[in-house]
Order: sequence, then C-alpha cells, then structure tokens
Amino acid sequence: QKEVEQNSGPLSVPEGAIASLNCTYSDRGSQSFFWFRQYSGKSPELIMFIYSNGDKEDGRFTAQLNKASQYVSLLIRDSQPSDSATYLCAGGFGNEKLTFGTGTRLTIIP
Amino acid sequence: GAVVSQHPSWVICKSGTSVKIECRSLDFQATTMFWYRQFPKQSLMLMATSNEGSKATYEQGVEKDKFLINHASLTLSTLTVTSAHPEDSSFYICSARDPARPTDTQYFGPGTRLTVL
Repeated sequence: QKEVEQNSGPLSVPEGAIASLNCTYSDRGSQSFFWFRQYSGKSPELIMFIYSNGDKEDGRFTAQLNKASQYVSLLIRDSQPSDSATYLCAGGFGNEKLTFGTGTRLTIIP
Repeated sequence: GAVVSQHPSWVICKSGTSVKIECRSLDFQATTMFWYRQFPKQSLMLMATSNEGSKATYEQGVEKDKFLINHASLTLSTLTVTSAHPEDSSFYICSARDPARPTDTQYFGPGTRLTVL
C-alpha cells in the first residue's frame, strides 16, 4: 500500500524564520511529489511539484526530494503570518492518482 | 495555475434527498477529474476518478450507486449524492488534471460543503 507520512504538528515558527516541513513515502515507485497549502475551511492550493532529486526553488518556497531516503521536504523562507495553514504532501505514481499525507499544521508567530 | 470551479459552494438538505455538485475546468479541457471527500481535521480521501466519456472508477469502500458521477464533457463533471444522510455531511472537493501539465498534477476546485439535516 502506498503511504505518505507527515508529522501532524502543530509546527510553530517565528515570523521571518525558515519553516521546514517534512514528508516520507513508502513506495519507491513514486514518480512525483506535490505540496499543497490548505487554509481552514478552504480547498487545497498547489504550491509546488518536484520530480527530480535535489532542490527546486520558487520564490520563498524550496522543495527538496531525496529518492534514496524516500523523503521530500518543503522549506518556507522569511515565514509570514499568511503562511499559517495546513500543508499537505502528496505522491503521484504516474497513474494520475495522488496519495495524500495527513497534513502538517503550521503556525507562524508574529 | 489552472482554474477549477465548483457549484454550489455550500448546500444544506434534508435527509433522503439528492444533491448534485458540479465541477468545471474553466481554462483547460480536463480528460480526468477526481472527487475527494474531507472530514474535519482529516486529509483528503479520494472517492473516484472521473474520465470523460466513460464510467467513473470508484475507490474501495465508496458506493457507486450512492455517489453518481457523470463526466459528460471535457470541462464538466458532476457528483450526485443520492438519498443523502447526516453521515454524508462533509467537504466535497473536485480536482482536474490539466493534460498540458506533467502527469499527476491536479488543480482543485474551491470545494462544496454539504450538510445533511
């Protein structure tokens, strides 16, 4: 069974600091990974996707993928209060379906 | 990113009635759409995969006769909750795959909050 694991948190980070969110997965056949942000009562919003080992940067966000260790992470630099949300990690297996983690609740403290 | 809409955004209905939820891709043609359900403080649970012009593929444990899915065009999929009961109250979210983007990339609609009295 394909599983994606996340620490549910909550994770509290001071404003301006780097928030680090981690995710591990069990299926080595996973081909793609996605980070979604979900505000309370809203639907998920795609932040980034990553396919290749290494880092991928987009503005304040950096996704990191290590296939050998089967983990993917999301770094948020210069954290803002508006970054407070639940972050969902998801793995794709090339068949279009995504397997979601349970999400990590992030709180940025002003 | 691609835009996906859902209608209605919320609905309250009496037990035993049926509710239809629409999911539309606004700026792309979606050959594949997905329907999820999310209970409070839980992650998304995939209910079914909807393919244009063919029958939906339901996940294990999801009753296909209760959750009717129709994907009649490349921009519209509908989910009908038949004979809804209070335990069907949940946040229903659709997503669509943009064929122009890499495989597995999904864009989510804003969700429909269903409350069954």
